[in-house]
Amino acid sequence: AQSVAQPEDQVNVAEGNPLTVKCTYSVSGNPYLFWYVQYPNRGLQFLLKYITGDNLVKGSYGFEAEFNKSQTSFHLKKPSALVSDSALYFCAVSPLTGRRALTFGSGTRLQVQP
Amino acid sequence: DTGVSQDPRHKITKRGQNVTFRCDPISEHNRLYWYRQTLGQGPEFLTYFQNEAQLEKSRLLSDRFSAERPKGSFSTLEIQRTEQGDSAMYLCASSLSETENSPLHFGNGTRLTVT
Repeated sequence: AQSVAQPEDQVNVAEGNPLTVKCTYSVSGNPYLFWYVQYPNRGLQFLLKYITGDNLVKGSYGFEAEFNKSQTSFHLKKPSALVSDSALYFCAVSPLTGRRALTFGSGTRLQVQP
Repeated sequence: DTGVSQDPRHKITKRGQNVTFRCDPISEHNRLYWYRQTLGQGPEFLTYFQNEAQLEKSRLLSDRFSAERPKGSFSTLEIQRTEQGDSAMYLCASSLSETENSPLHFGNGTRLTVT
């Protein structure tokens, strides 16, 4: 069975500082990996995905994520945080073959202080 | 592209009643997913369709839950004999199946409260 762990319920960072939101995963075989963001009273929005190739993936709003196969991690990063980045972030995984549906982590709330 | 639309936004019902939710996916998307999200948790997969065929159902989906997508366009999720544990946000998402890694596009959800 596939699973995702987001070890931090909340991450606090000052505006302008770099941010990292952690994610580790477990899946049979090679993974598809995704990050989604959820703003209050809104649906989840796609940020970025890793399929294959370069381990550093760039996505929307200046976010990027680094795939590390040996550590089974896919941490979300941004060089300089904005107050408007404050939201709930979800990491998700599915295997390349077999079960199609994404399995999500429990989410990490990012709070960017002015 | 008007996005994924879900109706109603909120539903309050008494325990034991039946409820039905509707999802209209993005028009060219042939895959449609239902997820359930409770407070403090990530979305949990319930079921998904490719066109009108229901291809996978989670073990979370008890026999009180049924989903349909009769013409391969909109979908309905019905919960019979609701229980307080069914209170959650029900999310619908759609995607293209041309590539297995197509991102899911989510609606804003239907919040169900069972009293």
